[in-house]
Amino acid sequence: KNQVEQSPQSLIILEGKNCTLQCNYTVSPFSNLRWYKQDTGRGPVSLTIMTFSENTKSNGRYTATLDADTKQSSLHITASQLSDSASYICVVSLNTGFQKLVFGTGTRLLVSP
Amino acid sequence: DAGVIQSPRHEVTEMGQEVTLRCKPISGHDYLFWYRQTMMRGLELLIYFNNNVPIDDSGMPEDRFSAKMPNASFSTLKIQPSEPRDSAVYFCASKGSLTEAFFGQGTRLTVV
Repeated sequence: KNQVEQSPQSLIILEGKNCTLQCNYTVSPFSNLRWYKQDTGRGPVSLTIMTFSENTKSNGRYTATLDADTKQSSLHITASQLSDSASYICVVSLNTGFQKLVFGTGTRLLVSP
Repeated sequence: DAGVIQSPRHEVTEMGQEVTLRCKPISGHDYLFWYRQTMMRGLELLIYFNNNVPIDDSGMPEDRFSAKMPNASFSTLKIQPSEPRDSAVYFCASKGSLTEAFFGQGTRLTVV
């Protein structure tokens, strides 16, 4: 069964600290993996997208990694800011195009002052 | 471009009533998606269109749900009759052939 699991479910960190969110997937055939940020009351916004051959990709203070062998990904946030408080969703695309996406249920991050 | 526009932002209705959610995709995008998001199940694809034609509606939960895309700039998701378990946030997203998908701000539906 195609599944995406994320951990932790929720996380509280102090402003300025780093954190790492985890994503494990059992999706086949794999096409790519995306990380989305979803602010409260808003739609998800894409942060990064990685294909099978990419190990890491950065977007500002966000760095995503992908290990296609172990089917694991992580999203590292450096020097967290209050505006990083949001849900972070890991999404894996099947090799049939964007249309076939498997969503994780997300990690809810709260950055505290 | 103003992005994907959904209306209404919030909808509260009584069980049994008809509910219509609306979406205006980004101009030029040829894919349109309807998703439902709940705490328990996360984001689920309900249906998607390509060039106004429904391609995959296997995610539509029941016959009470229907979606249309009469033209490239407008789509509706209708629930008739609505039930309390339909309460969720409904997102519309659009995508071009060579672009990432962009989500609207969602419609929060509450059926009482």
